[in-house]
Amino acid sequence: SQQGEEDPQALSIQEGENATMNCSYKTSINNLQWYRQNSGRGLVHLILIRSNEREKHSGRLRVTLDTSKKSSSLLITASRAADTASYFCATGYNTDKLIFGTGTRLQVFP
Amino acid sequence: EPEVTQTPSHQVTQMGQEVILRCVPISNHLYFYWYRQILGQKVEFLVSFYNNEISEKSEIFDDQFSVERPDGSNFTLKIRSTKLEDSAMYFCASSGGGANSGNTIYFGEGSWLTVV
Repeated sequence: SQQGEEDPQALSIQEGENATMNCSYKTSINNLQWYRQNSGRGLVHLILIRSNEREKHSGRLRVTLDTSKKSSSLLITASRAADTASYFCATGYNTDKLIFGTGTRLQVFP
Repeated sequence: EPEVTQTPSHQVTQMGQEVILRCVPISNHLYFYWYRQILGQKVEFLVSFYNNEISEKSEIFDDQFSVERPDGSNFTLKIRSTKLEDSAMYFCASSGGGANSGNTIYFGEGSWLTVV
């Protein structure tokens, strides 16, 4: 698999349910960032988690990082129709570039 | 909230033509980037720029591409002779510190480039 792969590729849920997306990566990282992209639009930064952190929260978002398993998860609690978007993880390690994952397309039905 | 702004939002160009995509990064940021996303594919790094020079570039960023910070506010990406495969969404981004130092990278809304 390539650096930065999210699963599932697509996720459909009802409003009010929680959505969990996972990201796996292959190399070491300094940090991992999660982004949201509405269809055809720009990338909106959600959360950055550093390699020495295990969990971060921001509003309804919770991100975990397990460097031993080279994986991260993004949990959106009490989802809303407006959360419908693609979600990407992006890793950084000793360079100025981010390597993006393949993304999870989340559909939240009202 | 400060944001990265990009123009044009959409450009259609003939193959072989030169294209310049413009970006205004967040005002106090020092690191600037271009990424691209071909339809349905991953977001790919093109180039990073710091202290008025390229700090890193990918294999995609060949001699057809160049970047410039012509003044204190703009950051441009030039594609000298466009090819069909250059059709993509191009994202400009900026950050206060380097990505490897754990700084948040802020992206613009993107410029859709269609080469016909």
